[in-house]
Amino acid sequence: DGGITQSPKYLFRKEGQNVTLSCEQNLNHDAMYWYRQDPGQGLRLIYYSQIVNDFQKGDIAEGYSVSREKKESFPLTVTSAQKNPTAFYLCASSPRNTEAFFGQGTRLTVV
Amino acid sequence: EDKVVQSPLSLVVHEGDTVTLNCSYEVTNFRSLLWYKQEKKAPTFLFMLTSSGIEKKSGRLSSILDKKELFSILNITATQTGDSAVYLCAVAEYGNKLVFGAGTILRVKS
Repeated sequence: DGGITQSPKYLFRKEGQNVTLSCEQNLNHDAMYWYRQDPGQGLRLIYYSQIVNDFQKGDIAEGYSVSREKKESFPLTVTSAQKNPTAFYLCASSPRNTEAFFGQGTRLTVV
Repeated sequence: EDKVVQSPLSLVVHEGDTVTLNCSYEVTNFRSLLWYKQEKKAPTFLFMLTSSGIEKKSGRLSSILDKKELFSILNITATQTGDSAVYLCAVAEYGNKLVFGAGTILRVKS
């Protein structure tokens, strides 16, 4: 069954802790993306990757880090440097020159 | 900095009304403009537009792009309560960067 899988769906983090959100796709897509969505707002680009071992910062990369060691996987780490990490995080992937497909998201809450 | 601006930010209409959602953009290397509908979690794809003046249509939804004036509109005719959602506009650039606007929250009242 093809698609994009994000895990976990819900995540709680204590202040000062790093946490990693998983995103896996079996669609053989080259490009992958991470977005942050706050209540009542659109999607803000955190990082994106065009190919394995390459990624670029989006508009709000501070306090986040990513890796792209495999085509299928694009994990996002929310570091303690991110001052307001509570949000809904969406991962997407895209083949070349067509629309992006989204995972179901991870809701991160800092407690 | 790349910008995608949607208007209005929110809209309340009655069933049967027609609505027009707007999206303007300023990006460096425009490749295409995309519309998505987000009801709960994952946005779902509606349209991708690459050429000016060519309307794309799917049922009661249609969209058109003006590359000279740098905007797109999404029309929904004969709205239904099931059309209530956040409508997102995004611009894809060469190099695969994909930037979204803030979205328009549409509520259709019965």
